[in-house]
Amino acid sequence: EAQVTQNPRYLITVTGKKLTVTCSQNMNHEYMSWYRQDPGLGLRQIYYSMNVEVTDKGDVPEGYKVSRKEKRNFPLILESPSPNQTSLYFCASSLWGKVNEQFFGPGTRLTVL
Amino acid sequence: QQPVQSPQAVILREGEDAVINCSSSKALYSVHWYRQKHGEAPVFLMILLKGGEQKGHEKISASFNEKKQQSSLYLTASQLSYSGTYFCGTEPQTGTASKLTFGTGTRLQVTL
Repeated sequence: EAQVTQNPRYLITVTGKKLTVTCSQNMNHEYMSWYRQDPGLGLRQIYYSMNVEVTDKGDVPEGYKVSRKEKRNFPLILESPSPNQTSLYFCASSLWGKVNEQFFGPGTRLTVL
Repeated sequence: QQPVQSPQAVILREGEDAVINCSSSKALYSVHWYRQKHGEAPVFLMILLKGGEQKGHEKISASFNEKKQQSSLYLTASQLSYSGTYFCGTEPQTGTASKLTFGTGTRLQVTL
């Protein structure tokens, strides 16, 4: 089944404790992206990647890191999480090109205490 | 800067029509539309590109006014399954896909 998977789905952590949220897709998509969703603010793009080893900042990249060492994986790293990073996070992927329908993962709900 | 969606929320009775608008202050290359049901991930509805190309589900229609940087999503003969939050996402005209910026959403509720 074609899908985007994220792990963990739920995470409660404390300020400053490094964490990684994994994202993996099995559709051979070139493009992958991370979004955070907060009430009243919609989906905001954190980082995106157009292919292996090619990443760029979205609209809200502060406090986050990403890497794209393999085509299928695009982990989101929070080196020192803070309470303002409490949010619902979505990973998405798509083929590269003009008409690029994005497929979203199920989401990861992160709480930073 | 996020595109502006209107209305913020709308309640319909089954069978009624609705229009959701999306407006950007930037020149656009494309507009994307997604629907998100409560507790679920966003799901693709439609993409409209500058020049007229589009791709989407058969039962969904939308328009893209390139001069005004506006897009509208048309929901006709609404069904209960149409309920959810609708997001438009805009891609700037630089065409360096895909720095997609989403609006804050329009919440649609369809009732019996």
